Amino acid sequence: GNSVTQMEGPVTLSEEAFLTINCTYTATGYPSLFWYVQYPGEGLQLLLKATKADDKGSNKGFEATYRKETTSFHLEKGSVQVSDSAVYFCALSRGVGNQFYFGTGTSLTVIP
Amino acid sequence: DADVTQTPRNRITKTGKRIMLECSQTKGHDRMYWYRQDPGLGLRLIYYSFDVKDINKGEISDGYSVSRQAQAKFSLSLESAIPNQTALYFCATSGGTSGRVRSDEQFFGPGTRLTVL
Repeated sequence: GNSVTQMEGPVTLSEEAFLTINCTYTATGYPSLFWYVQYPGEGLQLLLKATKADDKGSNKGFEATYRKETTSFHLEKGSVQVSDSAVYFCALSRGVGNQFYFGTGTSLTVIP
Repeated sequence: DADVTQTPRNRITKTGKRIMLECSQTKGHDRMYWYRQDPGLGLRLIYYSFDVKDINKGEISDGYSVSRQAQAKFSLSLESAIPNQTALYFCATSGGTSGRVRSDEQFFGPGTRLTVL
């Protein structure tokens, strides 16, 4: 079946620290992979995506590389800011009607 | 104006009551989805619809029903609410195109926080 496993939180970092949130997936075929971000009180917003192996998605200083050999799509940012505090969801799109399969979410808090 | 809107944003109801959550979109997308979010469980798919005449059950459809009244509207009903349906509910849409290719990105509404007492 299809599933996503992501690093459990919560994660607390100081401003300007390096961020990694791990995500691995199980899927048949070649899924598309996504990172969504949910700011407090809001819905989910697409942060970045990759649609095939070795693609790198990037946005707002965040990056993730689609690694088929390790079935991973880890999220990284070199220097986090307080405004990055949010919940981050890894997801894959696969199957009829591009159903999404979400990870459980990782809460990030960045302190000044 | 928001592309995907949900009403109400917050609702408190009692066990056994019927409740409807509504979702509207102005993105012109053909596909719409309902999810629930619970702490530690992420988002789980309740129902999805590819167009007005196509409705499909998701992972956790028991206790829920949906209606696709128009391409732009997709409602979720709880016929007889129970406390374990207390959750944050999200509507999402997809179906845009990037050039000639259909995009699989989903766009989410702001959510409805439902509490069943």
